[in-house]
Amino acid sequence: QVNLLQSGAALVKPGDSVKMSCKVSGYSFTAYWVSWVKQSHGKSLEWIGEIHPNNGATNFNEKFKGKATLTVDKSASTAYMEVSRLTSEDSAIYYCTMSSTVVTFAHWGQGTLVTVSS
Amino acid sequence: DIVLTQSPALAVSLGQRATISCRASQSVSISKYNLMHWYQQSPGHQPKLLIYRASNLASGIPARFSGSGSGTDFTLTINPVQADDIATYYCQQSRESPWTFGGGTKVELK
Repeated sequence: QVNLLQSGAALVKPGDSVKMSCKVSGYSFTAYWVSWVKQSHGKSLEWIGEIHPNNGATNFNEKFKGKATLTVDKSASTAYMEVSRLTSEDSAIYYCTMSSTVVTFAHWGQGTLVTVSS
Repeated sequence: DIVLTQSPALAVSLGQRATISCRASQSVSISKYNLMHWYQQSPGHQPKLLIYRASNLASGIPARFSGSGSGTDFTLTINPVQADDIATYYCQQSRESPWTFGGGTKVELK
């Protein structure tokens, strides 16, 4: 059974950074892309970027280049995303997802709520 | 970027058919592959894959869900609608990066 377990909610100050994690089990971690998706309150879904755990290759939505950094720890089957220079616009739920051979977002984590507030 | 347009809301009665549409700003089909997918998001939950490549049912999804379409126009059908199906539905394209989602269609009870 595929499971993507994300780190808990974070309350952070404007200007700070936040790093969140996504631990994958029951799935071949190094075989498929891991993507991150943003959902602002009551809004739709935005793709941030993706990383391939096998070689660390990344692709980004231009909107999030320089804003988000994606890394992986293959030994721990865990992907990470760091979001920097936080503003209120970054308050959102962030989901990690994994692709399959046929679709980009086959499996989803439960989400990490990030609240940016002073 | 490819823009996906969905109607914001749809009111349905239990046991009836619900039809949700998604229109892309350019074709999302390559050869025989229609690179449009559908997700369901219930309140307080993460999205869940329902349909991939326009018409293929994802694992564990009941057969009352179906998808169709090609090029720029796609449809998700729920027939018959059950109480568990009250949720928001998103289309998503994987034809061209950045991967984009529609604005979502909220299915509500009439």
